[in-house]
Amino acid sequence: DAGVIQSPRHEVTEMGQEVTLRCKPISGHDYLFWYRQTMMRGLELLIYFNNNVPIDDSGMPEDRFSAKMPNASFSTLKIQPSEPRDSAVYFCASSFSGGANYGYTFGSGTRLTVV
Amino acid sequence: QQPVQSPQAVILREGEDAVINCSSSKALYSVHWYRQKHGEAPVFLMILLKGGEQKGHEKISASFNEKKQQSSLYLTASQLSYSGTYFCGTATFSSGSARQLTFGSGTQLTVLP
Repeated sequence: DAGVIQSPRHEVTEMGQEVTLRCKPISGHDYLFWYRQTMMRGLELLIYFNNNVPIDDSGMPEDRFSAKMPNASFSTLKIQPSEPRDSAVYFCASSFSGGANYGYTFGSGTRLTVV
Repeated sequence: QQPVQSPQAVILREGEDAVINCSSSKALYSVHWYRQKHGEAPVFLMILLKGGEQKGHEKISASFNEKKQQSSLYLTASQLSYSGTYFCGTATFSSGSARQLTFGSGTQLTVLP
C-alpha cells in the first residue's frame, strides 16, 4: 500500500494567492482528516469527512479555507486568498471506521509558506 | 479541549526507560499515541480503548486509567530510534462523536548513545 499521498510536499506562495493542497487516502478507509501543525498551536483538526461527506468543519479558521472530497480517493484543501499566518505544515490522515478505534495514517504533509 | 502531556521534553541514554503522561479533563473514549520524527509525519504507535482493550504493533506499552482520564506511555530499554516527538490524541464523548482526535502539545524525547 502506498499510504496516504499528499501533494505538493512544499509550496511557497505570495500573500493573496490561491493555494490548493491535495490528498489521496488509503483505499478502503472511510474517514479523512485535515490537520494543520504549527509550533505555536500544535496539531489542529481543520475538518473531517466520512464517506466523502464533511462531518465537522468547526476547526476551519476562516471562510478563506474550504475543503472538498468529490470521491473516495481524493480530497482538496483550498486557501483563498492566502495570508502569511497560514504558513504551516498541513497533514491529511485517513482511517478505517473513524479512527477512534483504529489508528490514523498520516500523509507526509505539505509545508506551506506564504510570503 | 487539548489533553495535557508531561514532561515537555526528556533526554536519556540508550537502554534507559522513560514514561510519558497524557491527561484530559473530559471523559475519554480512547487514547492514541503517535511518534513524529523531525520533518516527517506522525506515525501511529498504539491505541487504548475505554474498557481496557489495547491495540498496538510496536514494542512499547501503555496504560489507560479511566477513572483519572489519564494515559501513560512506557518506553523500556530505549533505543536511538526512539528519538522523536510523542503525541497523545484523545477522543472524547462530549463532542457527540468519538471519531475525531484532539492532540496534546507533544513530548520531545532524545535518546543519546
